[in-house]
Amino acid sequence: AQTVTQSQPEMSVQEAETVTLSCTYDTSESDYYLFWYKQPPSRQMILVIRQEAYKQQNATENRFSVNFQKAAKSFSLKISDSQLGDAAMYFCARISGGYQKVTFGTGTKLQVIP
Amino acid sequence: EAGVAQSPRYKIIEKRQSVAFWCNPISGHATLYWYQQILGQGPKLLIQFQNNGVVDDSQLPKDRFSAERLKGVDSTLKIQPAKLEDSAVYLCASSYPQGTQYFGPGTRLLVL
Repeated sequence: AQTVTQSQPEMSVQEAETVTLSCTYDTSESDYYLFWYKQPPSRQMILVIRQEAYKQQNATENRFSVNFQKAAKSFSLKISDSQLGDAAMYFCARISGGYQKVTFGTGTKLQVIP
Repeated sequence: EAGVAQSPRYKIIEKRQSVAFWCNPISGHATLYWYQQILGQGPKLLIQFQNNGVVDDSQLPKDRFSAERLKGVDSTLKIQPAKLEDSAVYLCASSYPQGTQYFGPGTRLLVL
């Protein structure tokens, strides 16, 4: 089975500090895309950042950046200058193959401490 | 640009009753997904459509769940009959091919 693994069920970070959420995945495809989604308590899933596997450069989006290690099949999310509004569940996801089959990780609950 | 629309937002039914959920994807998005998310867990893909066709329904409990996508646009997901363990949030998402998924607000189902 092609899986996505988030090994940290819960994480906490002090406000204004930096935190890194881990994600590893398994795939036999050469063409795939990786995503981090945020789901606040209201439960609307929101895209945080996206990475195309063919791109070597790590994606960044304001305070959010990824460390994409293709050979290691690792895709971690770094949140800099953490804010109270960053508190949420974070899901790592992979889409691969011609039919864009999708797999989500089990999520990491991030707590931001004032 | 309008987002993914879902209705109803909340539904309470008794076990063995039937229920249907509706999703209207973002205009032009060929791919539509239905997920089941049980409290505290990640989304579980139930079914994925590419236009009118089903791409993946391997995790859809076909004895009680059914889904259709009419004319490659709107979609409905039906549960008949419902069980207690079907209590969850049902999420709909849509995307362009190889594109980012955009999610609707979800329908929260409680089966009593």
